[in-house]
Amino acid sequence: GENVEQHPSTLSVQEGDSAVIKCTYSDSASNYFPWYKQELGKRPQLIIDIRSNVGEKKDQRIAVTLNKTAKHFSLHITETQPEDSAVYFCAASDGNQGGKLIFGQGTELSVKP
Amino acid sequence: DVKVTQSSRYLVKRTGEKVFLECVQDMDHENMFWYRQDPGLGLRLIYFSYDVKMKEKGDIPEGYSVSREKKERFSLILESASTNQTSMYLCASGRLAGSTDTQYFGPGTRLTVL
Repeated sequence: GENVEQHPSTLSVQEGDSAVIKCTYSDSASNYFPWYKQELGKRPQLIIDIRSNVGEKKDQRIAVTLNKTAKHFSLHITETQPEDSAVYFCAASDGNQGGKLIFGQGTELSVKP
Repeated sequence: DVKVTQSSRYLVKRTGEKVFLECVQDMDHENMFWYRQDPGLGLRLIYFSYDVKMKEKGDIPEGYSVSREKKERFSLILESASTNQTSMYLCASGRLAGSTDTQYFGPGTRLTVL
């Protein structure tokens, strides 16, 4: 089955710097890759997603890139702000079971003012 | 706005008790999911459902069962709670049966088993 590895587990940056979180997946049939943000004590919420027919997607300060050949995708946050501090999860769709997502282990991002 | 609610934010139970966690969504979504969240392990899928009375095992179904009698409600059952089931439990829903799509999460239930 699908396996998703996420790195790093923790990331600390200065306000204004960029942050990059990377994920690799194993199932070449995966075609949907969402990113969720979970603030302390709150529910995970989708911040951006990408499908396999696209190599890059941007939404203001957030971008996701996908390399299907290498089976990895990354989240890029530019001009980080303290409110970006949260745990970020990547996920990949299961190629065999529609609707099912496999999540990475999470990255705790800390943005220092 | 999609609203996914869970019956309790915090729950404390004793070893061996039967535990029910309930999830309700109000957007007529077909997919519903139960995950547990543990530090360093991410979100792991316990069970999911595409339709009423239908269920599929996720990656860690042992020790759990589920029930979906109505489209909007998905229950997670711990038949005999054990201390290793102490965790945060998150419910989620998704729009289309069997289709990969955005999942909307509930606020979570933090279960402690003593």
